[in-house]
Amino acid sequence: DTGVSQDPRHKITKRGQNVTFRCDPISEHNRLYWYRQTLGQGPEFLTYFQNEAQLEKSRLLSDRFSAERPKGSFSTLEIQRTEQGDSAMYLCASSFAAGYRADTQYFGPGTRLTVL
Amino acid sequence: GIQVEQSPPDLILQEGANSTLRCNFSDSVNNLQWFHQNPWGQLINLFYIPSGTKQNGRLSATTVATERYSLLYISSSQTTDSGVYFCAVLRKNTGTASKLTFGTGTRLQVTL
Repeated sequence: DTGVSQDPRHKITKRGQNVTFRCDPISEHNRLYWYRQTLGQGPEFLTYFQNEAQLEKSRLLSDRFSAERPKGSFSTLEIQRTEQGDSAMYLCASSFAAGYRADTQYFGPGTRLTVL
Repeated sequence: GIQVEQSPPDLILQEGANSTLRCNFSDSVNNLQWFHQNPWGQLINLFYIPSGTKQNGRLSATTVATERYSLLYISSSQTTDSGVYFCAVLRKNTGTASKLTFGTGTRLQVTL
């Protein structure tokens, strides 16, 4: 049983560069979520998809952030013109939910981004 | 938005001791999950428990939804239990919104 996977696990970049992260959810899961976690804090919601539709975006997701899930399977999160404040752990989660039913979210290992 | 508070913020235990972690939330919830974040940052599911009581080995959890709190019990603690424990909730009546709101966590250190 394969869990949620994320790539890369670590990324170091210089301020102003663009970065892209990938998330592969558990195969039968229709919902995919992105969260961000800074040091000493709990994860904060960024956005989520049901199949290929992006249904909600947090105010934390500035114009420099974009997420896609083109075929309802894997997802990418891109950050353009990175800033030092973007340094954080980016976590992906997936779940299977029917209608409005809430279900267990399973998290990947995260991508740790450091912006120099 | 919904507020989630966890206590205590830090806890140091000797191996073999028992502990209780608490999570208070400010609104009705559809979903409550407990996670253990290991030193490498991986969030490990412990319980999906919007109400009632569940047990899994040395861990058990109880959520009293009407009083808006949940408790996580760790018995006979081991050094491998060290890490940060998070409670996360999904507020009720949010339509299609499915985001979890996390507490700030309890950092547990188990010593020999």
